[in-house]
Amino acid sequence: EAQVTQNPRYLITVTGKKLTVTCSQNMNHEYMSWYRQDPGLGLRQIYYSMNVEVTDKGDVPEGYKVSRKEKRNFPLILESPSPNQTSLYFCASSLSAGYYGYTFGSGTRLTVV
Amino acid sequence: AQSVTQPDIHITVSEGASLELRCNYSYGATPYLFWYVQSPGQGLQLLLKYFSGDTLVQGIKGFEAEFKRSQSSFNLRKPSVHWSDAAEYFCAVVQTGANNLFFGTGTRLTVIP
Repeated sequence: EAQVTQNPRYLITVTGKKLTVTCSQNMNHEYMSWYRQDPGLGLRQIYYSMNVEVTDKGDVPEGYKVSRKEKRNFPLILESPSPNQTSLYFCASSLSAGYYGYTFGSGTRLTVV
Repeated sequence: AQSVTQPDIHITVSEGASLELRCNYSYGATPYLFWYVQSPGQGLQLLLKYFSGDTLVQGIKGFEAEFKRSQSSFNLRKPSVHWSDAAEYFCAVVQTGANNLFFGTGTRLTVIP
């Protein structure tokens, strides 16, 4: 089944403790992206990747890192999480940028206390 | 810069009634337009998309949307709503040559029996 898999689905952590949210797609998509969803703000793009070893900032990149060492994986790294990063995070992939529409993962709900 | 406006935060309709969700975009040229649906606790699913051609596009689950250039709108419609349509709906746009899919803030749909 074609899908984007995110892990974990739920995560509670403490301020400053580094964490990684994994994202993997099995569709051989070149384009991958991370979004955060907050009430009243919709989805805002954090980072995106056009292909392996090619990443770029989205609208809200502060406090996040990404890497794209393999085509299928695009982990999101929070080096020192803070409470304002409490949010619902989505990974998405697409054949090519946004034109074909994205396939989304099921989301990761992160709480930083 | 492009933007997407969904003026209705929350809409309530009776089951069997018709539905129209509004979306306005701000962009000089014809963008690529999308509607996504997010069921509770789920990721986002693509309902339909518009790239060019016929301005009335059909999507999954009986939804359709009409692109109106003169009004910069891409409203989503369904002639008869089912209880399972209760969800949050997002309009999104990507501009030609760009890499970002910009989302509106979403409209939450409640369906009453």
